[in-house]
Amino acid sequence: DIVMTQSPLSLPVTPGEPASISCRSSQSLLHSNGNHFFSWYLQKPGQSPQVLIYWGSNRASGVPDRFSGSGAGTDFTLKISRVQAEDVGVYYCMQGLQTPYTFGQGTKLEIK
Amino acid sequence: EVQLVESGGVSVQPGGSLRLSCAATGYMFSTYWMHWVRQAPGKGLVWVSRINEHGTITDYADSVKGRFTISRDNAKNTLYLQMNSLRAEDTAVYYCGRDVAGANDYWGQGTLVTVSS
Repeated sequence: DIVMTQSPLSLPVTPGEPASISCRSSQSLLHSNGNHFFSWYLQKPGQSPQVLIYWGSNRASGVPDRFSGSGAGTDFTLKISRVQAEDVGVYYCMQGLQTPYTFGQGTKLEIK
Repeated sequence: EVQLVESGGVSVQPGGSLRLSCAATGYMFSTYWMHWVRQAPGKGLVWVSRINEHGTITDYADSVKGRFTISRDNAKNTLYLQMNSLRAEDTAVYYCGRDVAGANDYWGQGTLVTVSS
């Protein structure tokens, strides 16, 4: 199974400041079609997860442009340019290259 | 508007069976792979199973293989998860999700399954 490792697991951030979350996979997530089968999700308190980024760097429809994804191979990063109060929740990375699909442990973002 | 609505979650005794449903609206259900993902209380997300558009390809997590069966009825726009031989560790909120090239772009609100005596 592909192991996904996120860091940090806890992220206190002051509103208006940037934030960054890293995710590393135990093997490359590059698909034969040239895209990385890697995505980021946010689970707000009491809600279902919602996709933020797919294929490593593509922002999903309706996601604010303060969210950006980057990376390749086995190392990926989610950046929030200016954190807002509504960004609190748990962020998960996920690989969809091979089954079993696997998630990172989750990073809990809280407002200072 | 794409909507996924799960149902069927209840409290059941260990060893029991349950069938979850996920009703899909707002898109052409028969053209997308679908997934089940679960989340135990206070824990992270865990992938459970997936099925292709036609219902001819299925995959399972090792923890549920042989006990759970994923299926779909494209005429009814509904995804199912038949859960047998339930264990306490199967207690979780179960989400259905639509797959787009290795990502889940839409998720349901989840349905809670509790396995307890």
